[in-house]
Amino acid sequence: QVQLRESGPGLVTPSETLSLTCTVSGASMNNYYWSWVRQPAGKGLEWIGRIYSSGTTNNNPSLRSRVTMSIDTSKKEFSLRLSAVTAADTAVYYCARDRVMVEEQFTMDVWGQGATVTVSS
Amino acid sequence: DIQMTQSPSSVSASLGDRITISCRASQDIDNWLAWYQQKPGKAPKLLIYKTSRLQSGVPSRFGGSRSGTDFTLTITSLQPEDFATYYCQQANSFPLTFGGGTKVEIK
Repeated sequence: QVQLRESGPGLVTPSETLSLTCTVSGASMNNYYWSWVRQPAGKGLEWIGRIYSSGTTNNNPSLRSRVTMSIDTSKKEFSLRLSAVTAADTAVYYCARDRVMVEEQFTMDVWGQGATVTVSS
Repeated sequence: DIQMTQSPSSVSASLGDRITISCRASQDIDNWLAWYQQKPGKAPKLLIYKTSRLQSGVPSRFGGSRSGTDFTLTITSLQPEDFATYYCQQANSFPLTFGGGTKVEIK
């Protein structure tokens, strides 16, 4: 079955760049979107953005130009970079598969376990 | 952005109860509404998409409906594994947005 796993530093210094990678196993990355969602401790879910297997992206304007996403289908991984982080970016970051079939659009059916990222000096 | 407002924020219920959770969109999203279940320390799990379509493997005691911009998740006959937090998500337009969540607790 399809599995996703996030990896990256658990601690990031304020003003630096948060970098996470999501590794996909059990299925091809082609013809899907791949999303990032975050969740501060005890709070709700915030969609960060998504990237298609071709590299096309959609971002959440609330994060403005701080977000960069990339994908390497040959390595079966996609990545998130969030620049100029502050304490407000402390959260659990999830990667997820986002479906493309019209009836299933913009819904995420497979999720990683989540990576806890703390922004602190 | 489309705002999603869930109510109640928490509900206490007993095993076997029928409960409903509401979600209101700030504008028309047609039937583009999904529901997720999240247990502590775990990732969200997709339950329902396009208002009422059950994701594969989800028990039939879960159901979804719509009236205008108001959406409802119904769980008939609560089971022990259903105690969790539930989130709605609009799947109509970017940015994708979630409701604030409803925690279903044991009475």
